Amino acid sequence: KAGVTQTPRYLIKTRGQQVTLSCSPISGHRSVSWYQQTPGQGLQFLFEYFSETQRNKGNFPGRFSGRQFSNSRSEMNVSTLELGDSALYLCASSWGPGEEEQFFGPGTRLTVL
Amino acid sequence: AQKVTQAQTEISVVEKEDVTLDCVYETRDTTYYLFWYKQPPSGELVFLIRRNSFDEQNEISGRYSWNFQKSTSSFNFTITASQVVDSAVYFCALRGPGGYQKVTFGIGTKLQVIP
Repeated sequence: KAGVTQTPRYLIKTRGQQVTLSCSPISGHRSVSWYQQTPGQGLQFLFEYFSETQRNKGNFPGRFSGRQFSNSRSEMNVSTLELGDSALYLCASSWGPGEEEQFFGPGTRLTVL
Repeated sequence: AQKVTQAQTEISVVEKEDVTLDCVYETRDTTYYLFWYKQPPSGELVFLIRRNSFDEQNEISGRYSWNFQKSTSSFNFTITASQVVDSAVYFCALRGPGGYQKVTFGIGTKLQVIP
């Protein structure tokens, strides 16, 4: 069974640009969550989607947005990139929202210059 | 608000020693779920265990064991006879009931097992 896949794995952008990251959950999983991981802040929750609806959102500015498609694949977008957006962005999938364990992808390493 | 505290940022042990990673949590929910994840150097988080708040039984899985104590709001993780492959960052996480609550992660504990 294929795991969670994220593309691209590495990305370099400059300040002011925008970026779109993609996540394909494990087959059958309908819930996708996004996290930002930085050395100083650890793992910070961005948002969670279930059945194409955003269920929850973390404390990030409106420059961070996401969506989920009918096949449960999800994308997150960051507009007007700032240096501080440099981080590892992790996607996690689960059968549904709630108490189920999440299965994480390898992450997308974003560097903003 | 939920909070997860992992006071130990880095721990070093010699191979075959036992090591305990501490996790203390705060929540106002009476029902909640606790998790431990492992992040090896490769970067991908790996699920280790989930514990419901109404089940205080301790759990053992091979060299891994977990001690859940609601009275002290702690969910500690012990590795017995540590091995070099146990070197990783370990995260404790908390989630409230229902499907609308986010998962809160601790800052993580970096474990280094020295051969």
